[in-house]
Amino acid sequence: DVKVTQSSRYLVKRTGEKVFLECVQDMDHENMFWYRQDPGLGLRLIYFSYDVKMKEKGDIPEGYSVSREKKERFSLILESASTNQTSMYLCASSPDSYTGELFFGEGSRLTVL
Amino acid sequence: DQQVKQNSPSLSVQEGRISILNCDYTNSMFDYFLWYKKYPAEGPTFLISISSIKDKNEDGRFTVFLNKSAKHLSLHIVPSQPGDSAVYFCAVWGQGGKLIFGQGTELSVKP
Repeated sequence: DVKVTQSSRYLVKRTGEKVFLECVQDMDHENMFWYRQDPGLGLRLIYFSYDVKMKEKGDIPEGYSVSREKKERFSLILESASTNQTSMYLCASSPDSYTGELFFGEGSRLTVL
Repeated sequence: DQQVKQNSPSLSVQEGRISILNCDYTNSMFDYFLWYKKYPAEGPTFLISISSIKDKNEDGRFTVFLNKSAKHLSLHIVPSQPGDSAVYFCAVWGQGGKLIFGQGTELSVKP
């Protein structure tokens, strides 16, 4: 079974703090993605990566950065957390582009106070 | 601009009846569509997909229909069960390798 593991299920941070969300997949997938889920807005793509050290902006990259130093690990970084970044963050991986399914982690619920 | 739209935020259905979830998209170039199911506090899980060369794909109780001329996708669940209660997202592979999701429809199946 594909396993996508997100390091923290629940986090509470203060405005201005730097936040790291870690994601690891164990199926040697090339592609990894970070989404956020908000009520009424669905899942919105923040960043994605098709290879090590490679990153592409999604639809809402402002306020975020990413790091992919190893194939299995894709990190999302909030340089200075703000209250509007309170959300559910979902990491996903896939072996293929354009036709394949994404495999999601369980999500990280971030609250910024 | 929302490229993938699910206009019904919620749907309530009686157990044993049919659930129909709808999704509209804007770009006729989209050619691969997926449905995901999400329970609270869990990540989305893949349910069923369809390529634009087909107009129907069936997997057990789940059937996805694609109407390319109307740019419309629907998911039918027959018969609906209480365990089907979840949020359902349609998704489409867009330009640049992005999987674009709709806003989701929360399905409630009542015993």
